[in-house]
Amino acid sequence: QKEVEQDPGPLSVPEGAIVSLNCTYSNSAFQYFMWYRQYSRKGPELLMYTYSSGNKEDGRFTAQVDKSSKYISLFIRDSQPSDSATYLCALNSGGYQKVTFGTGTKLQVIP
Amino acid sequence: KAGVTQTPRYLIKTRGQQVTLSCSPISGHRSVSWYQQTPGQGLQFLFEYFSETQRNKGNFPGRFSGRQFSNSRSEMNVSTLELGDSALYLCASSTTVESTDTQYFGPGTRLTVL
Repeated sequence: QKEVEQDPGPLSVPEGAIVSLNCTYSNSAFQYFMWYRQYSRKGPELLMYTYSSGNKEDGRFTAQVDKSSKYISLFIRDSQPSDSATYLCALNSGGYQKVTFGTGTKLQVIP
Repeated sequence: KAGVTQTPRYLIKTRGQQVTLSCSPISGHRSVSWYQQTPGQGLQFLFEYFSETQRNKGNFPGRFSGRQFSNSRSEMNVSTLELGDSALYLCASSTTVESTDTQYFGPGTRLTVL
């Protein structure tokens, strides 16, 4: 069993829709939770970072962490075609920059 | 400020050869991490360097090695290439090794092994 499970998609939604992206994890040592966005032929870029259970909002993006269920989510409101990319969840148990990534969910927002 | 740069961007090698990839971190960043990205396994951590010392290592065979220079630039080497080594190799830099520091990724080197 992988430490982090993420549905690979692809996920196709119409412009303006609310998108929900999710990951589950098995290692309770994970303390830091991140979401990265990766456009084709580019490296990942950090979108959201949180280290506690609950919600964190940044513009159209909301990251949600439920440590008791070992479940993390990223919500995108009013999705735009420019949001079309692969979204990767990433987790870290702390101490060093050894990050465990999900396999990524490919999102397509259709105009 | 310039971002993380990786050279070369594309590389084609044959089985049994060796390859060296280079990464130049963002100016002022002293930590460099390397990742392998494949469609099946996603992004997997290879190793991390800070101040020329390897601080952490992932679960990869000894054919994968790296080093960091005094100017924080890093190289990774893969010897005796196998078909399964075909992947996108990503380098990320951060100010320190602390988990709370943001990692900034380069565009990657696409390695194809024939």
